[in-house]
Amino acid sequence: GAVVSQHPSRVICKSGTSVKIECRSLDFQATTMFWYRQFPKQSLMLMATSNEGSKATYEQGVEKDKFLINHASLTLSTLTVTSAHPEDSSFYICSAASGGSYNSPLHFGNGTRLTVT
Amino acid sequence: GENVEQHPSTLSVQEGDSAVIKCTYSDSASNYFPWYKQELGKRPQLIIDIRSNVGEKKDQRIAVTLNKTAKHFSLHITETQPEDSAVYFCAASKEGAQKLVFGQGTRLTINP
Repeated sequence: GAVVSQHPSRVICKSGTSVKIECRSLDFQATTMFWYRQFPKQSLMLMATSNEGSKATYEQGVEKDKFLINHASLTLSTLTVTSAHPEDSSFYICSAASGGSYNSPLHFGNGTRLTVT
Repeated sequence: GENVEQHPSTLSVQEGDSAVIKCTYSDSASNYFPWYKQELGKRPQLIIDIRSNVGEKKDQRIAVTLNKTAKHFSLHITETQPEDSAVYFCAASKEGAQKLVFGQGTRLTINP
């Protein structure tokens, strides 16, 4: 089945540094990927839609200059958390639709647990 | 935008009994309603989904019902087993399976 790989699975960084998270579709091409954030015991909140070859679309309240998204190929999207602060500590999960169809189901990566100290 | 409400937030049932989780959505244009199961620290896994042209769908012990008029949909798990214990999320989308809006989640515990 369709596999979405996300790296790293865990990262600890110091306040003020930047962290890059990679999301890869391993056996399919994804023109669109989605980035979610999940705080402990809470739901998944959509942060942005990553579009291959164009700018990402951010949800209301998400700072595009803080959460930089690059989708340079059909199999890779990256999320960079710039100048990270403790409040950015969260579980970040990407997803992508296999099959290239509007109705293709979403598959999620394993997630990245970010801890900012 | 779309808003999805999910209830209950926690649910505890005896092994072998049934569990029901309910969700309501606000945008009548939504047309795709998946359910995900998430175990602690892991990715959400799609367990069943339903589209707006269908009222009910079943897959072994799992079923989903949709009432478009009332804008609510439910997950039914029968003959529950300990491995069913997890957090379940409902979601809705009006862009096919894209750009999902999730409910708050239900922590289901199956007591042996």
